[in-house]
Amino acid sequence: KAGVTQTPRYLIKTRGQQVTLSCSPISGHRSVSWYQQTPGQGLQFLFEYFSETQRNKGNFPGRFSGRQFSNSRSEMNVSTLELGDSALYLCASSTGLALLEELFFGEGSRLTVL
Amino acid sequence: QKEVEQNSGPLSVPEGAIASLNCTYSDRGSQSFFWYRQYSGKSPELIMFIYSNGDKEDGRFTAQLNKASQYVSLLIRDSQPSDSATYLCAVNPGLLVRFGAGTRLTVKP
Repeated sequence: KAGVTQTPRYLIKTRGQQVTLSCSPISGHRSVSWYQQTPGQGLQFLFEYFSETQRNKGNFPGRFSGRQFSNSRSEMNVSTLELGDSALYLCASSTGLALLEELFFGEGSRLTVL
Repeated sequence: QKEVEQNSGPLSVPEGAIASLNCTYSDRGSQSFFWYRQYSGKSPELIMFIYSNGDKEDGRFTAQLNKASQYVSLLIRDSQPSDSATYLCAVNPGLLVRFGAGTRLTVKP
């Protein structure tokens, strides 16, 4: 069973640019959650998509957006990049149907904003 | 107040000792509690979950939950250098998982 795939793994952008990150969940999983991880802040929840609908959203500015396609693949976009957006962006997949359910994480996309 | 709080550490214990990792949460409606381990440069992986008050044991790992105190902990017995990692507490107040900042554990040979 293939795991969660995130692309690109590493990217460098400059302030003001925008970036799009992609996440392919485990086959059969309909929920994709996105997290931002920075030193000292841990995993900060961005949003969760389930069957193409945003089901939950964290406390991030509107520059952070996402979507999910009919094949459950998800993308997140960050516009007008700021230095503080430098982080590891992790996506996690699950069936999204149970309270007691493991999240399966991808390897992450490490974004550096210069 | 953060929704999920952990001592950031770092926590250092000698090999063979018991490592104790603590976590508190703010949402009394939380029903599921998880411990994830994250090795440096790797993604988090689930090591244990618990949803009932009391203890749950799995090998060298014991999770403890006290819903009245909104407290969950992870004990690692006979700690090994391979246990050196960041441990993330996660809480599920619904169909959404909230993570703490993580506690970095170092087990010294």
